[in-house]
Amino acid sequence: DQQVKQNSPSLSVQEGRISILNCDYTNSMFDYFLWYKKYPAEGPTFLISISSIKDKNEDGRFTVFLNKSAKHLSLHIVPSQPGDSAVYFCAAKGGADGLTFGKGTHLIIQP
Amino acid sequence: EAGVVQSPRYKIIEKKQPVAFWCNPISGHNTLYWYLQNLGQGPELLIRYENEEAVDDSQLPKDRFSAERLKGVDSTLKIQPAELGDSAVYLCASSPMGANVLTFGAGSRLTVL
Repeated sequence: DQQVKQNSPSLSVQEGRISILNCDYTNSMFDYFLWYKKYPAEGPTFLISISSIKDKNEDGRFTVFLNKSAKHLSLHIVPSQPGDSAVYFCAAKGGADGLTFGKGTHLIIQP
Repeated sequence: EAGVVQSPRYKIIEKKQPVAFWCNPISGHNTLYWYLQNLGQGPELLIRYENEEAVDDSQLPKDRFSAERLKGVDSTLKIQPAELGDSAVYLCASSPMGANVLTFGAGSRLTVL
């Protein structure tokens, strides 16, 4: 049973427009959420995170929104740049446990 | 600061052979994780160490997989014997104890023929 779901395997966005990546979770014990970015042949790198006590966290072009009642979070990238093309993983954490990851969304930024 | 170092980066073996992966975490990071990533999937936790103690190994297939972190620093993950389905990327990550953000290594890609 997948506890973290990313239902879009891929997303294509034009350069300069907004990219919105979505993630849903089922476990109410998750209290911290993260987005990781992964290029081919590299390990995932941390991008941005949000605690369950907040509903928004912003870092430059990246903003994460959390809707606890819907058990949904999203990552907004604006404006999208060619270097943003990568696989994005949503991850969740509950207490001292390790991270639980979604399957990832492959973001393709079109010139 | 050096990141999480993993070796080998790539390994090709025949089924039933043994294989071992090594991980050197970031200096001072007490917590070390091994994750398995199959093609098209997200990373899945195999084992988590706090210093030298394995505090969560519930997802480690103990019939063929073993791991150790003898001095609470470097760690080794072993598969014996390897099966075709073990072909995947094995990721090591580390963090300060209690931290939410994990730092990952580049991974070790295993191909079992």
